[in-house]
Amino acid sequence: KNEVEQSPQNLTAQEGEFITINCSYSVGISALHWLQQHPGGGIVSLFMLSSGKKKHGRLIATINIQEKHSSLHITASHPRDSAVYICAVRRETGNQFYFGTGTSLTVIP
Amino acid sequence: KAGVTQTPRYLIKTRGQQVTLSCSPISGHRSVSWYQQTPGQGLQFLFEYFSETQRNKGNFPGRFSGRQFSNSRSEMNVSTLELGDSALYLCASSLRDRFSNTEAFFGQGTRLTVV
Repeated sequence: KNEVEQSPQNLTAQEGEFITINCSYSVGISALHWLQQHPGGGIVSLFMLSSGKKKHGRLIATINIQEKHSSLHITASHPRDSAVYICAVRRETGNQFYFGTGTSLTVIP
Repeated sequence: KAGVTQTPRYLIKTRGQQVTLSCSPISGHRSVSWYQQTPGQGLQFLFEYFSETQRNKGNFPGRFSGRQFSNSRSEMNVSTLELGDSALYLCASSLRDRFSNTEAFFGQGTRLTVV
């Protein structure tokens, strides 16, 4: 069983749509990251969360520690948002990350 | 400030050879962890270093090794390369070790192809 589960695995949206990607985890964590990976590219950390909600431009990330759940929202989606989004958690008792399998997002113009 | 720098970005090696990858963390960061990303397995933890000491190791064979230098730069080495070692190797750096909640920053990764 994976410590981190993401859904959906694949997502296709029309430009302008509101998008939600979900992440559930089963271990105690010190922080959760949302990562973005473009095809053939490296990985960029979008957010680090330990509680509450953060917003950067059109991206919003929330976390509910009690329910062990986080969501990444993209408002007014754009084709340049097309990428794989990965949820990563850092456990309370170690410094390494555990990763979800990623959500592949395609935004169609 | 400069981000996490991984070199080289791309590498092609032949089966049986060995390879060394480098990760320079953000200045002042003392914790470096390494991950392997393959299409079949996703991202998996390789090892973690803090102040030149390996703190944790993932479930990888002994062909995978690493070290960290006094300036916090880290290297990982893979000996006797196999085709299945073809992957993106990613490192992450953070300021302190397991008991802090500081943000981690990821490098761009090194894409290794074994032929």
